[in-house]
Amino acid sequence: ILNVEQSPQSLHVQEGDSTNFTCSFPSSNFYALHWYRWETAKSPEALFVMTLNGDEKKKGRISATLNTKEGYSYLYIKGSQPEDSATYLCALENTGFQKLVFGTGTRLLVSP
Amino acid sequence: IAGITQAPTSQILAAGRRMTLRCTQDMRHNAMYWYRQDLGLGLRLIHYSNTAGTTGKGEVPDGYSVSRANTDDFPLTLASAVPSQTSVYFCASSVQGFPEQYFGPGTRLTVT
Repeated sequence: ILNVEQSPQSLHVQEGDSTNFTCSFPSSNFYALHWYRWETAKSPEALFVMTLNGDEKKKGRISATLNTKEGYSYLYIKGSQPEDSATYLCALENTGFQKLVFGTGTRLLVSP
Repeated sequence: IAGITQAPTSQILAAGRRMTLRCTQDMRHNAMYWYRQDLGLGLRLIHYSNTAGTTGKGEVPDGYSVSRANTDDFPLTLASAVPSQTSVYFCASSVQGFPEQYFGPGTRLTVT
């Protein structure tokens, strides 16, 4: 059974702070790493899908990096805003058919 | 509006009863998935379907069955519900070549 770990479990920052969290995964049989954003009372929404070692993706103030050799990905949020408050999920795809194994998420709360 | 819908929104079900959760997408996505979300655990894949007419087992398939008679619909059936199947169930879909998964709004199921 694959184990995808995310840390920290939760994070509380002030508006304007920059923050980052980690997703760790087994590096063998890696195919892709997904990041999703999940707001309360909504459904998860895709942020990034990364496949290559050293990949960096960016969407507005949110960016992510990938290290497949050591088995981790970082998600960064620059200048956090209250609307960034959500749970951020990472998921490992190791078969190439989009069968995802999710971590338990990092819950971010941004206070104004 | 294009998207993915689930029904019912929530349900309380007596143990031993049969229940089918419905999922419909109008995006013509070839792949569909069923996940369950439990407190303290990540989203876990129950069953998936690559394309109409084919299905496969995910991480936690026991007690559940699926069918994929056409592209749009992917119902999940609990033949004889048990309390451990109390969970929030999410349906998702994706299109070949684009790995992001699109999630439905979820069905909250309570088995008493």
